[in-house]
Amino acid sequence: NAGVTQTPKFRVLKTGQSMTLLCAQDMNHEYMYWYRQDPGMGLRLIHYSVGEGTTAKGEVPDGYNVSRLKKQNFLLGLESAAPSQTSVYFCASKTGTGVSNEQFFGPGTRLTVL
Amino acid sequence: GENVEQHPSTLSVQEGDSAVIKCTYSDSASNYFPWYKQELGKRPQLIIDIRSNVGEKKDQRIAVTLNKTAKHFSLHITETQPEDSAVYFCAASKPNYGQNFVFGPGTRLSVLP
Repeated sequence: NAGVTQTPKFRVLKTGQSMTLLCAQDMNHEYMYWYRQDPGMGLRLIHYSVGEGTTAKGEVPDGYNVSRLKKQNFLLGLESAAPSQTSVYFCASKTGTGVSNEQFFGPGTRLTVL
Repeated sequence: GENVEQHPSTLSVQEGDSAVIKCTYSDSASNYFPWYKQELGKRPQLIIDIRSNVGEKKDQRIAVTLNKTAKHFSLHITETQPEDSAVYFCAASKPNYGQNFVFGPGTRLSVLP
C-alpha cells in the first residue's frame, strides 16, 4: 500500500496563476483533510471531507476550493494564487469506522508563489 | 472554537536526559489527544495518543499524561537519543462532524550528544 500520496512535490507559481494539488489514498478512508504548514504556526486546516461528494470549510479556507468526486482522491485548488499562499501543504486521511482516530499524512507539497 | 497552546517552542536536552512538552486546550468537549513527530522535510507521524477516559499512556520511552480538569496534557520522553530530535506537535479533537484536529504550534526538540 502506498498510503497517502500527493502530487506535485514542489511547485512555483506566479501571482494570479491557478493550480490543483492532488491527494490520493489507498486505505479506503472516509475522512480526508487539507492543511497548510507555516513556520511557528503548526498545521492549520483548510478544508475537509467526511466522504465522497462532501466538503466543508476548516480554519483557513479563503482562497482555496476543494472537490471529492472519488473516495480515494481529494483535490485542493487555488484559483488565483497569492504570495500569502506560499506554504507547505499536507493532505491527511483517516477511517470513519473502528476505534482509531489517527490521521495519516501525505509527504507534502511545497508551494512558492512569487 | 478550540485553541491549543504548546510550550516550550524550543527545547534542548543532553542525550540520555528526559524531555517534557506541555499542551493546553480550551474546549472541554475534546476527547482525543494525539502527538505527532515531524522530522526535517518529512511528514508528521503519530507517536502516541490518549483518550479522555484515560489519565496516562506509555509506549516504551514515550508517555503521555492527561489532566481533564485542568485541560492540559503532556508528552514525556525518557532516555532521549539523537534520533528523537524533531518537531513535536500536540493536537486536540472532539467527536464533531469532521473529527477535526486542532494542532499546537509545535516544539523543536534538539538532543545534544
